[in-house]
Amino acid sequence: QQQVKQSPQSLIVQKGGISIINCAYENTAFDYFPWYQQFPGKGPALLIAIRPDVSEKKEGRFTISFNKSAKQFSLHIMDSQPGDSATYFCAASQTYAGKSTFGDGTTLTVKP
Amino acid sequence: DAGVIQSPRHEVTEMGQEVTLRCKPISGHDYLFWYRQTMMRGLELLIYFNNNVPIDDSGMPEDRFSAKMPNASFSTLKIQPSEPRDSAVYFCASSFGPGTGSNGYTFGSGTRLTVV
Repeated sequence: QQQVKQSPQSLIVQKGGISIINCAYENTAFDYFPWYQQFPGKGPALLIAIRPDVSEKKEGRFTISFNKSAKQFSLHIMDSQPGDSATYFCAASQTYAGKSTFGDGTTLTVKP
Repeated sequence: DAGVIQSPRHEVTEMGQEVTLRCKPISGHDYLFWYRQTMMRGLELLIYFNNNVPIDDSGMPEDRFSAKMPNASFSTLKIQPSEPRDSAVYFCASSFGPGTGSNGYTFGSGTRLTVV
């Protein structure tokens, strides 16, 4: 019940295209869903996060869509750029639980 | 703030040796996490502390692994004896609160451990 399943494992998108990464969870007690971005040789960094009281959150070119009934959430990167090439992790946690469960990661390559 | 500082950045050691990884969290953060990242298993939570007290060490793989946080500004992860299967990137992360706020976790740059 603590798993977060992420897909696809890897993704190749042309510059200017839309990148979409999906995650699914089982534990209905999760109430915080962040996405992290990791560049080679660096630690993951928080990109954007959402709580289940809203269905969508947008920050610049990055949007999280959240479907509470389906227990799924996704990251959309609009107008993808080569600089977006990185590994993206979704995660889920319960407020005050103190720890997050991470997905397996998606390696995104944006071709110029 | 310089962020979460980990040392060393790279460590190569022989099987059977003791390895100590170090972490300095962001000042004021009250949670500290140790993660291990491998291609096969992704990001695994090993242990986390709240106010220097270990809260959950269920992810520590074996008794060979131990972690301490003697004060709010320093933590260590020790492997004794080390084995080749311990080769991975070890990340330390800290947060203000349990990491569910607007800033989430702040990760260090990691220590790449190679056990030969």
